[in-house]
Amino acid sequence: ELKVEQNPLFLSMQEGKNYTIYCNYSTTSDRLYWYRQDPGKSLESLFVLLSNGAVKQEGRLMASLDTKARLSTLHITAAVHDLSATYFCAVDSRDFGNEKLTFGTGTRLTIIP
Amino acid sequence: DTAVSQTPKYLVTQMGNDKSIKCEQNLGHDTMYWYKQDSKKFLKIMFSYNNKELIINETVPNRFSPKSPDKAHLNLHINSLELGDSAVYFCASSRSISSYNEQFFGPGTRLTVL
Repeated sequence: ELKVEQNPLFLSMQEGKNYTIYCNYSTTSDRLYWYRQDPGKSLESLFVLLSNGAVKQEGRLMASLDTKARLSTLHITAAVHDLSATYFCAVDSRDFGNEKLTFGTGTRLTIIP
Repeated sequence: DTAVSQTPKYLVTQMGNDKSIKCEQNLGHDTMYWYKQDSKKFLKIMFSYNNKELIINETVPNRFSPKSPDKAHLNLHINSLELGDSAVYFCASSRSISSYNEQFFGPGTRLTVL
């Protein structure tokens, strides 16, 4: 069974600092997604990573995928309060030919002014 | 315009009752999903349907029965509700289940079983 682990689970950081969230997964996959969830809200798609070495950037967030290491990172640059949320990675696995997403445990990010 | 919508947003009910949650997507997607998010925010797939056909059925009690009248709708019926069913249930959709696809999530239904 595919296992997806994120760390840290909780992250409290000051505005203006940089940090990285890690997503490790246990079986071969070359498709990984990052989502954001605000408290009491739905999940919003942030990044779709479809191949080894893929890098996507949007504003202060940058995501990358290393399929050989089975690792994705979400890097936050010069954090601002608006980035406070829970971030999930989700790994695509094929279940009898059909896609199934397995979500990580989530990283609750709090940006402190 | 709402892409994936769910009703109701909140559902409070007694143990043993039967309830339904409805989901609709107007994205023209072929595939729809139900997820359960527990109190620790862990998100797990329950079911997926592709063009009204059940594709994925995770280890879910048979008290949970999904129904897809057409590819734009996927409803979830729950019989004999238990305390452990309390969670947030998210519906999602994606273009196709046979290729890469982002999943777009509905607003969630917070179910509380008393």
